[in-house]
Amino acid sequence: DSGVTQTPKHLITATGQRVTLRCSPRSGDLSVYWYQQSLDQGLQFLIHYYNGEERAKGNILERFSAQQFPDLHSELNLSSLELGDSALYFCASSVGRQTTDTQYFGPGTRLTVL
Amino acid sequence: AQSVTQPDIHITVSEGASLELRCNYSYGATPYLFWYVQSPGQGLQLLLKYFSGDTLVQGIKGFEAEFKRSQSSFNLRKPSVHWSDAAEYFCAVVAPQAGNNRKLIWGLGTSLAVNP
Repeated sequence: DSGVTQTPKHLITATGQRVTLRCSPRSGDLSVYWYQQSLDQGLQFLIHYYNGEERAKGNILERFSAQQFPDLHSELNLSSLELGDSALYFCASSVGRQTTDTQYFGPGTRLTVL
Repeated sequence: AQSVTQPDIHITVSEGASLELRCNYSYGATPYLFWYVQSPGQGLQLLLKYFSGDTLVQGIKGFEAEFKRSQSSFNLRKPSVHWSDAAEYFCAVVAPQAGNNRKLIWGLGTSLAVNP
């Protein structure tokens, strides 16, 4: 158990819908990262927040947005969902602001878009 | 283009045999190098990382990796594989650039199966 929690574990929804994935980092960690893992593209970095502020952005679609709240939990919002958005979404946390800090991964949220 | 490559999609070894998983990177300078493991149905766990110094790095679960600058490689090894090592292994890098917007770039992974 990494100490990072993600909810829900599974999510099934329809095209065009909007969903919110939630991540609670390990106690004391200030950074949260979001990743997408799909069969065709592998693991892709989406976005990194440190202490509430966006620090780095990767291949995140405009239909996707994220934020980190004052209690340090983070939410990833996916809207206008398409079939291709079906994937496993991981969040990870680390203590500092550097991407090279050890990242601890949650168990992931499996999103299925029908 | 800058990238990280894991040439082997799938590897099968017998329990007790040695293991080497390959990772090659394509960057002008040495990036920060990582190996992660993803067990079935679970998140990823860091096995080891290399930033600088001794080119042989020891990690958790009996794994080690060797950085070879001349070959742009960071191969993962284990002298004797256990059935519980069956998992997906990912090599990842962070580009050696200063400033913000740094990110982990991932290889496509190597799936390891262990025969009893």
